[in-house]
Amino acid sequence: GNSVTQMEGPVTLSEEAFLTINCTYTATGYPSLFWYVQYPGEGLQLLLKATKADDKGSNKGFEATYRKETTSFHLEKGSVQVSDSAVYFCALRRKGNTPLVFGKGTRLSVIA
Amino acid sequence: DGGITQSPKYLFRKEGQNVTLSCEQNLNHDAMYWYRQDPGQGLRLIYYSQIVNDFQKGDIAEGYSVSREKKESFPLTVTSAQKNPTAFYLCASSITSEGYEQYFGPGTRLTVT
Repeated sequence: GNSVTQMEGPVTLSEEAFLTINCTYTATGYPSLFWYVQYPGEGLQLLLKATKADDKGSNKGFEATYRKETTSFHLEKGSVQVSDSAVYFCALRRKGNTPLVFGKGTRLSVIA
Repeated sequence: DGGITQSPKYLFRKEGQNVTLSCEQNLNHDAMYWYRQDPGQGLRLIYYSQIVNDFQKGDIAEGYSVSREKKESFPLTVTSAQKNPTAFYLCASSITSEGYEQYFGPGTRLTVT
């Protein structure tokens, strides 16, 4: 079946540290890949996406590259801020008209 | 502004009562979804609808029901048959073309005691 595996949190970093949150997927064909962010008590917001192999999604200093050979879509940011503290979800959408499949989420805490 | 609204933000019910959660969108999206979120569980799909008057069960549909009479609206009823209904419920919508993301509402936190 289709699934997404994320590194378990929580992840605690100091401000300005480098961030990596690992995400790997299992899917038939070539799905579209997404990263969402959720702030406390809120819904999910799309952070970035990639729809084909070798695409790089980027937004607000965050980046992720669609790696077909390793079935991965790791999220990175060069210098995190306290305001980046949130839960991050990796997700995939298979080709066709199907719902997103989400990973379990990774909680990030950034301390000043 | 275009978006998805869910109401209320917080909902409290007694065990044994059915409760309906509202979800409305003005994005002109064909597809709508309901997810349940529990701590450490991520998001689990309850029901989804790709077109008016049609919907499909997701991974955890037992104890829930939905209707899709209008494109803009996709209410979720949590019935008394749902064994553990206390959770955060998220509604989402999307266009039905490949590669497109889902847009999420702010969520409803349901507490059943």
